[in-house]
Amino acid sequence: QSALTQPPSASGSPGQSVTISCTGTSSDVGAYNYVSWYQRHPGKAPQLLIYEVSKRPSGVPDRFSGSKSGNTASLTVSGLQAEDEADYFCIAYAGSSGSVFGSGTKVSVL
Amino acid sequence: QVQLQQWGAGLLKPSETLSLTCALSGGSFSGYFWNWIRQPPGKGLEWIGDINHSGSTNYNPSLEGRVTVSVDTSKKEFSLKLTSVTAADTAVYYCARYDYHSAEHFDSWGQGTLVTVSS
Repeated sequence: QSALTQPPSASGSPGQSVTISCTGTSSDVGAYNYVSWYQRHPGKAPQLLIYEVSKRPSGVPDRFSGSKSGNTASLTVSGLQAEDEADYFCIAYAGSSGSVFGSGTKVSVL
Repeated sequence: QVQLQQWGAGLLKPSETLSLTCALSGGSFSGYFWNWIRQPPGKGLEWIGDINHSGSTNYNPSLEGRVTVSVDTSKKEFSLKLTSVTAADTAVYYCARYDYHSAEHFDSWGQGTLVTVSS
């Protein structure tokens, strides 16, 4: 299956919000409410931010929120902080085809 | 707190065998799928394969024949072997735990290992 499409980059000033899209198909993003989002700092383990489209694991700040409309899922980071500068990627469940991975978005805090 | 710690050789010559191991701390080995995922430089993430605590495996068809994932539940470790590597296998390799009970997602990842294949 094809990768989920994300913008290569996004940016915002401290305190602002940034939204990252993750576009798939009716066989993955659009078919199931199993989209997850991850943050990855260079050389570090990816961290789960959002699962099941909009649920946050314990310990993840509520500045991170997720949503979905049709075949596109979105991650919004509100109140941007310097520590939010990282790579973000989405993963969607695609049934018997397994997981489909996003192409990744580099977020810069200006 | 669940943590995955991975290790293995970072520099290989073409035709050699890639070998990585991932150890779990702070959690149970049963009830999850244990995965290997890689990301070549400048490219997207690619799923390599997975295994459960019973040793049942699934592999990416594009790598089948070269890849083996194994598990040692007594040590809470699982391993990846990829034979006959080429430059195309150069990537950051991650181990990750997949939760299929309550929600289909990878809930814990290793720190990644850069494997470079070069003569």
